[in-house]
Amino acid sequence: EPEVTQTPSHQVTQMGQEVILRCVPISNHLYFYWYRQILGQKVEFLVSFYNNEISEKSEIFDDQFSVERPDGSNFTLKIRSTKLEDSAMYFCASSELENTEAFFGQGTRLTVV
Amino acid sequence: AQSVTQPDIHITVSEGASLELRCNYSYGATPYLFWYVQSPGQGLQLLLKYFSGDTLVQGIKGFEAEFKRSQSSFNLRKPSVHWSDAAEYFCAVGPTEYGNKLVFGAGTILRVKS
Repeated sequence: EPEVTQTPSHQVTQMGQEVILRCVPISNHLYFYWYRQILGQKVEFLVSFYNNEISEKSEIFDDQFSVERPDGSNFTLKIRSTKLEDSAMYFCASSELENTEAFFGQGTRLTVV
Repeated sequence: AQSVTQPDIHITVSEGASLELRCNYSYGATPYLFWYVQSPGQGLQLLLKYFSGDTLVQGIKGFEAEFKRSQSSFNLRKPSVHWSDAAEYFCAVGPTEYGNKLVFGAGTILRVKS
């Protein structure tokens, strides 16, 4: 069964460092998303991406964040200068069409120290 | 904007007992509704979804949910809980004309006692 894969599963970084979280969406999917879940809190939408551009972003997704689809398979989230409050589980998701269900990856736990 | 409320933060049930997890949404039209489950340290797995049609939807692992427009609810049920059902359950709404994103509830942690 096709699935969304994320790497790494856990990343520890020092405050102020740049991190790149990687995702491989399901191959025939066209819409890609990043969500995050701070420990003990709800899952929050960060950004959606379609046709090589951001289609929607939340207030959380400020200038420190960027997304890219560098090739035909990967979808990345970059945090330019990490802060302690960026520590969270980051989920990548993809959907085939605009109004179909999203399939989530296993998540990357980011710990900023 | 749409929102989702899961009134119960924690629920504990005995193995073999029935389960109902509550979910209320706020949205003007008929939304797309989802239930996801997250086991400890794991990702989000889709249990079931409602787009249109029959208001009682069946999902994986023996779960079902009923969409009630009059109550703006989409409660998740299971007739007999197994110890492996212990996890956190999230109700979500979307996408809508407000955008393609999902809006999640705060989650309900299910504990199963033997």
